Amino acid sequence: GAVVSQHPSRVICKSGTSVKIECRSLDFQATTMFWYRQFPKQSLMLMATSNEGSKATYEQGVEKDKFLINHASLTLSTLTVTSAHPEDSSFYICSASTPGQSTQYFGPGTRLTVT
Amino acid sequence: AQTVTQSQPEMSVQEAETVTLSCTYDTSESDYYLFWYKQPPSRQMILVIRQEAYKQQNATENRFSVNFQKAAKSFSLKISDSQLGDAAMYFCAYRILSNFGNEKLTFGTGTRLTIIP
Repeated sequence: GAVVSQHPSRVICKSGTSVKIECRSLDFQATTMFWYRQFPKQSLMLMATSNEGSKATYEQGVEKDKFLINHASLTLSTLTVTSAHPEDSSFYICSASTPGQSTQYFGPGTRLTVT
Repeated sequence: AQTVTQSQPEMSVQEAETVTLSCTYDTSESDYYLFWYKQPPSRQMILVIRQEAYKQQNATENRFSVNFQKAAKSFSLKISDSQLGDAAMYFCAYRILSNFGNEKLTFGTGTRLTIIP
């Protein structure tokens, strides 16, 4: 149990375009989903926390207008990188949890390359 | 603010031997969770083991065990009978205890473990 999927696993886009990444909890209802960014050989950096049906809470320094997060259902959250630039190239990981559950379960990640 | 420190950027161990990865943390909370996550080359984060701070007994999962020293704020991971598949980046993580499910994790910087055949 506790499986989280992400789609796509890899995406290449041109500078200036937008790209959407989906995060789904497959076998449980995730009231909270988290979005992380990971640079090569570094730890995970939390970008934002999203609760189903409400606005996401962004970490300091993360541009909310650039990284749009929507958590419209208990099984789906999306991260849209708007007007992507090469410096947005990174590995993006989502995780999900639910009340009473101490553990976050992670998706397999999405590698974004902006050319 | 809570912080998690992993002082060993890299470790290596001979296959079938035992290795211990270190983690210390700083918090003013009395109730919290500690985790070890593994990130293999596939980059999928995998939960290795979890410890509730209110439990004195050290958590164990097969070949993985922890040495939780609450007063010293230390949470080390011991891997026994190391296997090639254990090669990965290991992250120590902390979160406060709540039932809301929306508490964020604080990660350490990671320790890269290499298994020598």
